[in-house]
Amino acid sequence: KQEVTQIPAALSVPEGENLVLNCSFTDSAIYNLQWFRQDPGKGLTSLLLIQSSQREQTSGRLNASLDKSSGRSTLYIAASQPGDSATYLCAVRGGYSGAGSYQLTFGKGTKLSVIP
Amino acid sequence: KAGVTQTPRYLIKTRGQQVTLSCSPISGHRSVSWYQQTPGQGLQFLFEYFSETQRNKGNFPGRFSGRQFSNSRSEMNVSTLELGDSALYLCASSPGVAGAPDTQYFGPGTRLTVL
Repeated sequence: KQEVTQIPAALSVPEGENLVLNCSFTDSAIYNLQWFRQDPGKGLTSLLLIQSSQREQTSGRLNASLDKSSGRSTLYIAASQPGDSATYLCAVRGGYSGAGSYQLTFGKGTKLSVIP
Repeated sequence: KAGVTQTPRYLIKTRGQQVTLSCSPISGHRSVSWYQQTPGQGLQFLFEYFSETQRNKGNFPGRFSGRQFSNSRSEMNVSTLELGDSALYLCASSPGVAGAPDTQYFGPGTRLTVL
């Protein structure tokens, strides 16, 4: 069974700081890895999707990397802003032959607070 | 394009009752997935429907069921509600076809409270 872990559970940083969120998964037979953000009481917004054959993806101030062999991904946020405050969730899409049978397995998230 | 819509947004039920939640995907999307989100367990996959067929199923009891209609709209049903079913229920849509991006678009969720 695929398990996804996100550390730390919560993070508080001053505005302007660069930061890294971590995600690890137990079964490397994945189809893709996705990062989402969730604002309080709201649904999820997709940030980045990395296919299993890719090493990283970038969108604006966000950069996500994937090391499938070690079961790790990082989300790098440059020059953080108060509007970045949210919970960031990592999700892994299992491969057909791996644990999870192609379903999305989520970590419990990192709650980020960016202090003005 | 309009986003994913879910109705109702809030629901209060009592134990033993049943409930039906609705999800309308983005136009053109054929895959709809359902998730349960609770503070303790986080986001857990319930099931996925594609072209009116259940394509994948998570580890939930048979009280949780769903269906998808020919216009890709989906409903999920929970029978014999328990207190532990109180949660935010999220649905997500995607094109769902080979070669298309797997990006999941989530609705705002239905907040179910069981008393």
